[in-house]
Parts: sequence; structure tokens; C-alpha cells
Amino acid sequence: DAGVTQSPTHLIKTRGQHVTLRCSPISGHKSVSWYQQVLGQGPQFIFQYYEKEERGRGNFPDRFSARQFPNYSSELNVNALLLGDSALYLCASSQAPGGGEQYFGPGTRLTVT
Amino acid sequence: QKEVEQNSGPLSVPEGAIASLNCTYSDRVSQSFFWYRQYSGKSPELIMSIYSNGDKEDGRFTAQLNKASQYVSLLIRDSQPSDSATYLCAVRYEGGGNKLTFGTGTQLKVEL
Repeated sequence: DAGVTQSPTHLIKTRGQHVTLRCSPISGHKSVSWYQQVLGQGPQFIFQYYEKEERGRGNFPDRFSARQFPNYSSELNVNALLLGDSALYLCASSQAPGGGEQYFGPGTRLTVT
Repeated sequence: QKEVEQNSGPLSVPEGAIASLNCTYSDRVSQSFFWYRQYSGKSPELIMSIYSNGDKEDGRFTAQLNKASQYVSLLIRDSQPSDSATYLCAVRYEGGGNKLTFGTGTQLKVEL
């Protein structure tokens, strides 16, 4: 079975630009969560979506937004990029909205210059 | 502020030894606990989950949970060089949906 997939793998953007990251969950999983991991730190929760509805939001500015599609794939959008947005962006897939294990995709490495 | 704390290491153990990784968390209203392994430049990989007090074994890995002491640990028996990685402890708190709160990770080095 295919695991969580994310695209693109790497991305280089300039300050002030916008970026869209994409994620497809494991087949049969309906919940997608997004995390940001900066070097030397654990992942930080950004959003959770379940059945196209936002179920949780972390302590991130409004420049960060996300959505989930009918096929349960998801997009994370970041506007007005800052140097501090450089990080590994991880998508995690789970079957249920509030329980069970979460499985991470390979991540998107975003570099903002 | 709910927190998860881990010793950053590095923790060095000889090949074949038992590696013991520890994690403490700040809030008693916690539901689920997870250990992830992360190789350098890769994403976290789930290796253990534990939901109730006591021990849970899976192959060479044993997770131990003590909710009264707010403490969760991971034991790796017969450590191999391929176990060298950063181990992340994660906690899901009651009412937090799927939000995981992570520690900063412990770097494990298994030496030949």
C-alpha cells in the first residue's frame, strides 16, 4: 500500500512569495494534519483537517492556511513568506479525527531566501 | 503550556547494549503517547504507541508508561548501528483532536 505522499520534495522561494504544498493521505485515511519542523526541534502542529473541515489549528499566523478536498488530499498555503518559514513541512495521515496513530509523509523542504 | 521534555543527547551506547530513552510531559490530562524515529534528513517514522500504564513490547522495542509520574520511556534491546537516529516523543492531549505535541528529540548513537 502507498504511504503518505507529499509534493514537491524541495522548494526554494523568495521572501514575500506564496507557496502551496500538497499531501495525499494513506488510502482509507480521512484525517490529515500539517506540521512544521525547524532544524533541531520537534515538529510543531499547524492544522488538522477531517472530512474537509478544520478540526484544529496551532499557534501559527494567518499567513498559513489549508484545505482538504473530497478525496481527502490536502493543501497547505503560506503567504508572504518570511525567512523564518524555512523548514521541513510534514503531512501526517490518520484514520480518525481524535485517535489512533499518525503516519508522516516524506515532507517538503522549504527554503526561503 | 503543555510541554514534552527529552534529553537532547547524544546518547552513545555500544552495539548490542540496551538503549534507554526518556520523556516527561507536563499535563496529566494526556491520552496517548508515541515514539517516532527520525533519521537525518528524513521524516519521522512511527515505531511505538502506548495508551495505558505499563509496558508494551514490539520486537526489540519496549515502551513504558507511568502516568502518575508523567513519564514515558523507550527501551531498545540489542542496539544496532542502524538504530542511530533521533527519537522523538509525542503526546496527544485529551480534547486536542489529533494534535501531537513533540519533544525536541534524543539523538542516539550506537557505536561498533
